[in-house]
Order: sequence, then structure tokens, then C-alpha cells
Amino acid sequence: DIQMTQSPSSLSASVGDRVTITCQASQDISNYLNWYLQKPGKAPKLLIYDVSNLETGVPSRFSGSGSGTNFTFTISSLQPEDIATYYCQQSDNLPRTFGQGTKLEIK
Amino acid sequence: QVQLQESGPGLVKPSETLSLSCTVSGGSISRDFWSWIRQPPGKGLEWIGHIYYSGNTNYNPSLKSRVTISLDTSKNQFSLKLSSVTAADTAVYHCARERYSPGHLDFDLWGRGTLVTVSS
Repeated sequence: DIQMTQSPSSLSASVGDRVTITCQASQDISNYLNWYLQKPGKAPKLLIYDVSNLETGVPSRFSGSGSGTNFTFTISSLQPEDIATYYCQQSDNLPRTFGQGTKLEIK
Repeated sequence: QVQLQESGPGLVKPSETLSLSCTVSGGSISRDFWSWIRQPPGKGLEWIGHIYYSGNTNYNPSLKSRVTISLDTSKNQFSLKLSSVTAADTAVYHCARERYSPGHLDFDLWGRGTLVTVSS
């Protein structure tokens, strides 16, 4: 299985801050990397697919970059509604695997 | 607007079989992959497996011996069976569409999830 390692596991930031989460794959996954957010009691929501493509309707303050094994997710200006847990996920290989999640809180 | 809705018992006894269905409304099940993903309370996401509209399946090796995913195109539903359950199978079970098209291989639609507790 491809292991996806996210860091940090939790993060506290202020409204307006730039926030960065990293995701490392245990092997090359090309550009098959997606990002989701999940709010408590809700289903995950797709934000970014194929490393850097914003899903329809997702605000432009969210972005992604990277290739191969190292990927980055960024919120350019944190908003109160961004409080959630964020997951990376690889689609290069079976079984599909997710990072362990990054819980984002407001400072 | 395509929506997914899980249904099934919320309580299953140890050693029995967990059975869930996912109804797809507002769209056809005759394309893409249809997946089951679970999340133990307070933990991360685990992919269980998926079925292609053609009927081909793939399962997580960690669960493969106990999992069956099937499709009923006449009802626009797909289903999950997980046998010989233990307390470790207690989780919120989500159904999801894995979008499969040029430039896309991602879970773009999810059901709200249903909590299944394994307990006697």
C-alpha cells in the first residue's frame, strides 16, 4: 500500500493567516493527489484534484502544488469557515489511501 | 444534482454480517466507480473497495476476505457486505462516487455516512 503522511497533524492559526499542510507519499504517485476537507459530522468534500486543480465552486484561496512524492496544500488567507480536518488522498494505485488528517483550528 | 444516501442497520452483532446499501439519485450509476469508505470514531478514512459500473470490483487487501460490493442498476443502488464483524469494524460508513474521466480520479460525491456499531 502507498502510505500518505501528512504534517502537521494539527494546526492553530489566526484569521487571515497563510496556512500550509504537507503530504508525502511513500512512492511516486505522479499527479494523482487529491485534497478534501471534512467538518464534524459531515462527509468529506473534494477541494483539489490532480494536485492543483480546484473543484468547481471551491474558493480561490485554496491551492495545491507538488509532484512525485511531495505535495503541499495552502490556504492563502484563513477564514473562520475553513475550520475543518483536511485529508490528502492518492489515486495512483490500489488500495486508495488517505493521509491521517490535519485538524485546523482558529487561534 | 446527483446525491448518495446510505441505508442499513446501525447495530450489528459480533461475528455477523454488516449490510449497507447506497441509493444514487439524480443521476445514473452506469458510469464511474462506486466506493465504500469508512471512518472509525475520531479516526481517519479507510477505503474499503469499489465497483465499476461494468461490475468489476476491487477491494482493500486488509478487508478483501470479508468484503463483497455489488451493483443493482435497476434500482440505481450499490451495496456493501462485510462478514464476521468485530468491534474494530465500528465506524461511519460512507458511500462515494469515484469520478473516472480524463483528468479525474477522485471522490467527488459522498453520502452523509451512517454509523454502524458492532456490539452484542
